[in-house]
Amino acid sequence: QKEVEQNSGPLSVPEGAIASLNCTYSDRGSQSFFWYRQYSGKSPELIMFIYSNGDKEDGRFTAQLNKASQYVSLLIRDSQPSDSATYLCAVNRAYSSASKIIFGSGTRLSIRP
Amino acid sequence: DTAVSQTPKYLVTQMGNDKSIKCEQNLGHDTMYWYKQDSKKFLKIMFSYNNKELIINETVPNRFSPKSPDKAHLNLHINSLELGDSAVYFCASSQGGREMNTEAFFGQGTRLTVV
Repeated sequence: QKEVEQNSGPLSVPEGAIASLNCTYSDRGSQSFFWYRQYSGKSPELIMFIYSNGDKEDGRFTAQLNKASQYVSLLIRDSQPSDSATYLCAVNRAYSSASKIIFGSGTRLSIRP
Repeated sequence: DTAVSQTPKYLVTQMGNDKSIKCEQNLGHDTMYWYKQDSKKFLKIMFSYNNKELIINETVPNRFSPKSPDKAHLNLHINSLELGDSAVYFCASSQGGREMNTEAFFGQGTRLTVV
């Protein structure tokens, strides 16, 4: 079982609709959770982080965390063509004196006009 | 100013050669990482250093040898390159420690092609 699992997609969503991205993780010791966006040929960039159960909203983005179910999601409201990218879920586990950030394989999102 | 910079951006080399990738961060972070991203976009952790000390080695072949001369630098040397080493290699840094919100900041990536 992979430590962080995502549906690889592609996920196709019409412009203006809500895109829903899901992620599960295997280690209950995971402390914090991140969503990164990666455009083709570019490096990943952080768009949201969450570490408490519940929802966290930032503009058009909402991250949801359920530690009991080991589940993290990202909702993108009013999807725009510029949201077309690969979305990477990541978890941060305490490891020795440092932290270990593990990524899922990413979900490719395509927003169709 | 670039927060995490790695060089070179592109590297094309023949099988069997030895090559190095350099990484520097000016964020004052304690932890630095090397990740490998394959053609399917899977970003796999290879190594993690905390204050120049190797913390994580994810069963990477010993042809890969990271070196951290100080906490702002983490270089990656690869011996006897193989076709399967072709990928994009990302350097990243984070504040590290056991704090929760230790997001990783990424360099621009090095696209390695072994021919």
